[in-house]
Amino acid sequence: DQQVKQNSPSLSVQEGRISILNCDYTNSMFDYFLWYKKYPAEGPTFLISISSIKDKNEDGRFTVFLNKSAKHLSLHIVPSQPGDSAVYFCAAKGAWGMLTFGGGTRLMVKP
Amino acid sequence: GAGVSQTPSNKVTEKGKYVELRCDPISGHTALYWYRQSLGQGPEFLIYFQGTGAADDSGLPNDRFFAVRPEGSVSTLKIQRTERGDSAVYLCASSLSGGAREDTQYFGPGTRLTVL
Repeated sequence: DQQVKQNSPSLSVQEGRISILNCDYTNSMFDYFLWYKKYPAEGPTFLISISSIKDKNEDGRFTVFLNKSAKHLSLHIVPSQPGDSAVYFCAAKGAWGMLTFGGGTRLMVKP
Repeated sequence: GAGVSQTPSNKVTEKGKYVELRCDPISGHTALYWYRQSLGQGPEFLIYFQGTGAADDSGLPNDRFFAVRPEGSVSTLKIQRTERGDSAVYLCASSLSGGAREDTQYFGPGTRLTVL
């Protein structure tokens, strides 16, 4: 039973355009969410997070939106750059700081 | 400063053998986590250490898996009688304290384990 799901395994976007990555969760006890980015042969690196008391958090080109009633969050990247090409993981933080990850979305930004 | 390091980066072993995977966390981080990432999936939680003690080992798949952190810094994940299904990338992460929601986990590059 996957508690965090990313239904799009891949996404291709033109450089300069917006990338929108989506994530759904089922456990209503989750109250803190994160996005990690992963390049090949490297570990995931933290990108941005959001608490359930907020519906939006912005950091430069990256914005995360949270819709608690729909149990849905999304990551917007504007403008997308070729260096953003990576696998993006959505995660929910539980007890002890343990992360429950989605399956990931591979983003390809074409020049 | 130095990030989380993991050794070896790659490990190929035969079915039934014993393996040890090592994690060096960021200095001063008391919380340490092990995750396993199978092909095409996201990382899955295995075990969490707070200092020297395993505070939560609920993610370990069975009793062939064991982890230690004897001095509260370096951790070793041990797998006995390896099976082909154990093949995956094993990721280690550390954070300053573990409990706070804003406490960021920093990941190592992982060890790719292949069981033939």
